[in-house]
Amino acid sequence: NFMLTQPHSVSESPGKTVTISCTRSSGSIASNYVQWYQQRPGSCPTTVIYEDNQRPSGVPDRFSGSIDSSSNSASLTISGLKTEDEADYYCQSYDSSNHVVFGGGTKLTVL
Amino acid sequence: QLQLQESGPGLVKPSETLSLTCSVSAGSISSSSFYWAWIRQPPGKGLEWIGSIYYSGSTDYNPSLKSRVTISVDTSKNQFSLKLSSMTAADTAVYYCARSDSINWFDPWGQGTQVTVSS
Repeated sequence: NFMLTQPHSVSESPGKTVTISCTRSSGSIASNYVQWYQQRPGSCPTTVIYEDNQRPSGVPDRFSGSIDSSSNSASLTISGLKTEDEADYYCQSYDSSNHVVFGGGTKLTVL
Repeated sequence: QLQLQESGPGLVKPSETLSLTCSVSAGSISSSSFYWAWIRQPPGKGLEWIGSIYYSGSTDYNPSLKSRVTISVDTSKNQFSLKLSSMTAADTAVYYCARSDSINWFDPWGQGTQVTVSS
């Protein structure tokens, strides 16, 4: 099975841009779609990005996703940071056996 | 709007089997487009996929839990269930059910149910 590695935490000021990385340990990041979830304390996760770079309706265009085959990683970028963006963010993907893997999560602090 | 709701005991004794049910409303669990999944989150830790089931009964399980997990579906009740045997303190977590699709996009999720393993 593969792993998805995320930074434990990131912090940035309101109005700035932050990028959270998600590196796949084996197998190509481009082989299987990557999703990103936001989880606020005490709540269930909600989707901010699916299919690598698609936003569900209701998610602001400040959120964007991408993949980079050269580094075998996916990225979530949040621009124009707001205090309400402070949350844990998880990347998620799967393999050819349909086994699902979540990244360890990144705590975003907006200060 | 599709909704999922977990139910089951909040406290399980070590070595016992956990049984949880997820009730699906405002949508059919028999839809050919979707799968139904269980995911858990230990306190202060990240998300862990437990397994998924198709309405036909076909399953995929996390290899690390496969020997202890059974996921089943009851289309007549529009529910699916999780059984996790030989529970230990390490299984203490919030357990979520969720709908997924062919690309394993989990959405929506249930609100989650806290399960504590203690004697």
